[in-house]
Amino acid sequence: AQTVTQSQPEMSVQEAETVTLSCTYDTSENNYYLFWYKQPPSRQMILVIRQEAYKQQNATENRFSVNFQKAAKSFSLKISDSQLGDTAMYFCAFMKHPNAGGTSYGKLTFGQGTILTVHP
Amino acid sequence: NAGVMQNPRHLVRRRGQEARLRCSPMKGHSHVYWYRQLPEEGLKFMVYLQKENIIDESGMPKERFSAEFPKEGPSILRIQQVVRGDSAAYFCASEGLAGAHFFFGPGTRLTVL
Repeated sequence: AQTVTQSQPEMSVQEAETVTLSCTYDTSENNYYLFWYKQPPSRQMILVIRQEAYKQQNATENRFSVNFQKAAKSFSLKISDSQLGDTAMYFCAFMKHPNAGGTSYGKLTFGQGTILTVHP
Repeated sequence: NAGVMQNPRHLVRRRGQEARLRCSPMKGHSHVYWYRQLPEEGLKFMVYLQKENIIDESGMPKERFSAEFPKEGPSILRIQQVVRGDSAAYFCASEGLAGAHFFFGPGTRLTVL
């Protein structure tokens, strides 16, 4: 079974600054996906960024980037130029790659979440 | 192209009543996943369905909970004889054919009095 751990229950950052959210995971799989989801007060789950484990290059989406360290099983999210609209709960999630087979395909395992507050 | 739709958005039930939560996946999506989010926690997988089939229900409580995804119509998560501990946000997600692209609905917030 996979586990995902987010060790920072809460983080805060000043507007325009950079913040990094931590995520570690445990798995015996070699091929998988990792995700960061954002959940604002509306509670809608919004995909922020996705990383495939076999790709060594870190994923980037505008102000959001990840630092994927496969050997260390670490997947941190960096938010640059933080904006007030980034205030939300952020969840890290793991999914076994479809090619790995088995019925756990498509099943996301989420961490406990980190509440991020961006201050003006 | 409408996103994943869930209704109702809010549902209040008294202990012992039944709750029915509906999820319409995005057009063309045939894989639906249900997750439960208890207060102050992350989402926990409940069940994975394809049209007319339950693929993985390993996260579903053995009693009182059931799910279906009929050939026509939305997926339904049914909770019989609700208890206060069932109070949570229930999310459904659908997945595109390309795989590993999940689109979440806005959730149904169930409150059991």
